[in-house]
Amino acid sequence: AQSVSQHNHHVILSEAASLELGCNYSYGGTVNLFWYVQYPGQHLQLLLKYFSGDPLVKGIKGFEAEFIKSKFSFNLRKPSVQWSDTAEYFCAVNAARGSTLGRLYFGRGTQLTVWP
Amino acid sequence: GAGVSQSPSNKVTEKGKDVELRCDPISGHTALYWYRQSLGQGLEFLIYFQGNSAPDKSGLPSDRFSAERTGGSVSTLTIQRTQQEDSAVYLCASSRLPKDEQFFGPGTRLTVL
Repeated sequence: AQSVSQHNHHVILSEAASLELGCNYSYGGTVNLFWYVQYPGQHLQLLLKYFSGDPLVKGIKGFEAEFIKSKFSFNLRKPSVQWSDTAEYFCAVNAARGSTLGRLYFGRGTQLTVWP
Repeated sequence: GAGVSQSPSNKVTEKGKDVELRCDPISGHTALYWYRQSLGQGLEFLIYFQGNSAPDKSGLPSDRFSAERTGGSVSTLTIQRTQQEDSAVYLCASSRLPKDEQFFGPGTRLTVL
């Protein structure tokens, strides 16, 4: 079965600091990769996704992620965080084909707190 | 257009009662998913519907859990004889096709007393 690990449970940063959230997955086949964000009191929203092609993907609000196939990683980055980035971030993967196509496997989430 | 909607937003029930949770997916989305978000377990897959195919029920935690999707649109998740460990936020998501990104609803917070 697939699994997803997020290395940091809680990250605290000051505004303008750089952010990198780690995500590793275990699966032998081709995967699609996602980062979702959940702002306080809101529902899960897609931040960015990787299906194929350029392993460096750009998402909304200045976020980007890099897929490194050899490391089974899909780390999220932002060069300068803002107070409004305070939220919980979830890495997720699903199989690109096969019997489990579609179902998302999520990491445990990383709570990001940004101090103004 | 409208997003995924779920009802009720909150449900408090007594242990042993049955509950029904509803999901309205985005119009035209063929795939519909149920997930559960709880403090101890994170986000877990429960069940997946794709068109007219048999649903993937492999994530349902027990036979007290069941789900239907009528007419390829609205879905209902039913939990029979609720237990306290069923307390969680139940999320519904839909996607145009199984391989596409999933759009999530606001969830139903279930509390079993």
